[in-house]
Amino acid sequence: GAGVSQSPSNKVTEKGKDVELRCDPISGHTALYWYRQRLGQGLEFLIYFQGNSAPDKSGLPSDRFSAERTGESVSTLTIQRTQQEDSAVYLCASSAGAGMQFFGPGTRLTVL
Amino acid sequence: AQSVTQPDIHITVSEGASLELRCNYSYGATPYLFWYVQSPGQGLQLLLKYFSGDTLVQGIKGFEAEFKRSQSSFNLRKPSVHWSDAAEYFCAVGAGTTDSWGKLQFGAGTQVVVTP
Repeated sequence: GAGVSQSPSNKVTEKGKDVELRCDPISGHTALYWYRQRLGQGLEFLIYFQGNSAPDKSGLPSDRFSAERTGESVSTLTIQRTQQEDSAVYLCASSAGAGMQFFGPGTRLTVL
Repeated sequence: AQSVTQPDIHITVSEGASLELRCNYSYGATPYLFWYVQSPGQGLQLLLKYFSGDTLVQGIKGFEAEFKRSQSSFNLRKPSVHWSDAAEYFCAVGAGTTDSWGKLQFGAGTQVVVTP
């Protein structure tokens, strides 16, 4: 596609429920990243996929967070047993390399 | 560990005046440096990047940034701001290694308000 797409754009859930956020990277981009942006704060790195290498999960805040990527295409970020502090905008980015990342519009997650 | 500091949380500037946003980084090796802009309701957009070479880099929308290794800084500038430049600006640093060069560390952002 023309850019990185994410779905849903907005998600409201109840505390304790599981959520899945989806990211479709730019076609041909081998790298995919997930970031979290809490209200009024900068972006926090969560996880990074590069080709067939083991993902860099060093930014995941707890074991309730996980992500999968199928080949060099779609990625899903899953948050289990959501907590109110998980409320944030979750941003996905992809790149063909060299660190130049193109960002999607984000998914705004609200945990009630 | 790498880190990025944007000392100014909020800046107000008059339309037509010059703008400078500060960014300081901490990283042991040669970093890759970026400035992104986030406008209300829009995603992050890359303004410019520095990988190597000329330390003054030109970006889109009339922005430029200068890499100063001695000061560990990568300040963003624009000679004359437009009302449409009101947005939040993020400085980011990427590790300069082949293993993890894609993972970006972002500053907390600087909110720019443009007054008439």
